[in-house]
Amino acid sequence: KAGVTQTPRYLIKTRGQQVTLSCSPISGHRSVSWYQQTPGQGLQFLFEYFSETQRNKGNFPGRFSGRQFSNSRSEMNVSTLELGDSALYLCASSLGARQSTEAFFGQGTRLTVV
Amino acid sequence: AQKITQTQPGMFVQEKEAVTLDCTYDTSDPSYGLFWYKQPSSGEMIFLIYQGSYDQQNATEGRYSLNFQKARKSANLVISASQLGDSAMYFCAMRVSTDSWGKLQFGAGTQVVVTP
Repeated sequence: KAGVTQTPRYLIKTRGQQVTLSCSPISGHRSVSWYQQTPGQGLQFLFEYFSETQRNKGNFPGRFSGRQFSNSRSEMNVSTLELGDSALYLCASSLGARQSTEAFFGQGTRLTVV
Repeated sequence: AQKITQTQPGMFVQEKEAVTLDCTYDTSDPSYGLFWYKQPSSGEMIFLIYQGSYDQQNATEGRYSLNFQKARKSANLVISASQLGDSAMYFCAMRVSTDSWGKLQFGAGTQVVVTP
């Protein structure tokens, strides 16, 4: 079956702009989580969506937001971009249930803010 | 609070040798899951192996095995017969039942370089 698909793979944006990243989970997976990876902070949890509802949120400013659609696809948005938002953004897909042993990632979107 | 610790920032291993990557964790939740991921330079996070806190046996997946010592709160990854393609960053991660099940907490990672 198809894996987790993230688009676009690369983005270059200017400070102050906004950006939208997309994630299509594995078919049947209802949970989509987003992570930010930087050399300094490592992998940090942004938020999780399950059945179109935000189930959890990490410690990020309100400029970071997301949503999930009825087909489980998810988008995250970053407004008023700052240089420090440059990172690899990873999306993970899972069943989202306690019994689930799967959590698969996409290839990531590498965002560069200039 | 939960915490994942990987104390080895990097290591070299010769091809065909086995390597052990250390991971210790801290949680007061009795129900949790532990994951190992591989991240090559391309950036993709590749799922390797999973161990549940109530699993009686250590998890194995091909050349990967997890040495789960619950009392010591350690979940070390063992890669047998290393290959050049195993060169990558390796992350240990945990999720707990008291948090949403889709949230993973990661360690800092261990960079593995396999040499011929």
